[in-house]
Amino acid sequence: GNSVTQMEGPVTLSEEAFLTINCTYTATGYPSLFWYVQYPGEGLQLLLKATKADDKGSNKGFEATYRKETTSFHLEKGSVQVSDSAVYFCALSDRTGGGNKLTFGTGTQLKVEL
Amino acid sequence: DAGVIQSPRHEVTEMGQEVTLRCKPISGHDYLFWYRQTMMRGLELLIYFNNNVPIDDSGMPEDRFSAKMPNASFSTLKIQPSEPRDSAVYFCASSFRDKLFFGSGTQLSVL
Repeated sequence: GNSVTQMEGPVTLSEEAFLTINCTYTATGYPSLFWYVQYPGEGLQLLLKATKADDKGSNKGFEATYRKETTSFHLEKGSVQVSDSAVYFCALSDRTGGGNKLTFGTGTQLKVEL
Repeated sequence: DAGVIQSPRHEVTEMGQEVTLRCKPISGHDYLFWYRQTMMRGLELLIYFNNNVPIDDSGMPEDRFSAKMPNASFSTLKIQPSEPRDSAVYFCASSFRDKLFFGSGTQLSVL
């Protein structure tokens, strides 16, 4: 079946540091890949997505590139801010199910300190 | 649009009681999902609906859990009887095409 593996957290960084959160996946076919962010007390929000190999998703300074050869979708940001502190989830879609049925990773908590 | 609306935000109940969680999806969305989030197991898909019809309930943990979607604007997740191990945050999400939107969740504590 489909699965998503993320690096364990928490990840603690100083403001303006470079961020990488690793994500690898196992899937049949050609899934779409997503990063969601969850701020304290809130639901998940879509951060970015990529729908085919070599696509780069980007939003709010975050980027991730769909690497089919390494089955990876690592999240990066060049300079993090305190406001980026949240839990980040990597996910893939099961297109056979329709309607964006997603398989999520376990989430990686990011803490950014001044 | 107000987004996906869940109620209540917090629910504290005693073991053995019935719990009903409610969800109003975004108007026009044709898929609705119920997820459960715990520290131990992360986000788990419990059940999802397409056009009000349950498509896959393989994630529902036990017969104590049931979900309904009587119309396009309302869904419920019921736990009867509730147990302490059901304590979690329950999220409802709706989607149209490839965009999924989550509600703010219901924090359930079963004592």
